[in-house]
Amino acid sequence: RKEVEQDPGPFNVPEGATVAFNCTYSNSASQSFFWYRQDCRKEPKLLMSVYSSGNEDGRFTAQLNRASQYISLLIRDSKLSDSATYLCVVRHASGGSYIPTFGRGTSLIVHP
Amino acid sequence: DTGVSQDPRHKITKRGQNVTFRCDPISEHNRLYWYRQTLGQGPEFLTYFQNEAQLEKSRLLSDRFSAERPKGSFSTLEIQRTEQGDSAMYLCASSSSFGIGQENTGELFFGEGSRLTVL
Repeated sequence: RKEVEQDPGPFNVPEGATVAFNCTYSNSASQSFFWYRQDCRKEPKLLMSVYSSGNEDGRFTAQLNRASQYISLLIRDSKLSDSATYLCVVRHASGGSYIPTFGRGTSLIVHP
Repeated sequence: DTGVSQDPRHKITKRGQNVTFRCDPISEHNRLYWYRQTLGQGPEFLTYFQNEAQLEKSRLLSDRFSAERPKGSFSTLEIQRTEQGDSAMYLCASSSSFGIGQENTGELFFGEGSRLTVL
């Protein structure tokens, strides 16, 4: 089983739609959680951290369920510019190291 | 403000040759990571430095891969005797371990990557 699993999609949605992505992780000792965004042929960039209480940044809401070991990202009122790959990242400590592990990403295509 | 820079951006080489990639992290960042990414996959962790110490290298793909960060600043990733399966994008990222609580998100700042093609 992979450490971080995501549905690769693609999710094909019209502008204005609400879309949700889930991500599951296998290491129960994981401590920090993130969503990164990667545009085609570009490097990944941090979208938002995911906190235990859940957090919101504009149209984006992230939630963490430690008991079930999954993370979600909700995008409301999708824009064409939201088209990208969304990478779930889980970080755990291992012998003093902090290793961020990426999922394979979920592709989102927002169409007019 | 200079971000993470990687060199070269593209490298085409013949099977069996050695290649070396360089990464210059954000200057105040003490952590440096190397990842590999192939088409349709997320970045795959290879190795990690805190200052000049290589704290995790068990995930380097084979003994043909090695990395250094001699003075705790720039880093190099070397692949010896390249194989066609080594063709990928090699990404470097840096972050800071400093800060308190949510002030330090541990955000990774990536370079634009070095694309390797092995013929």
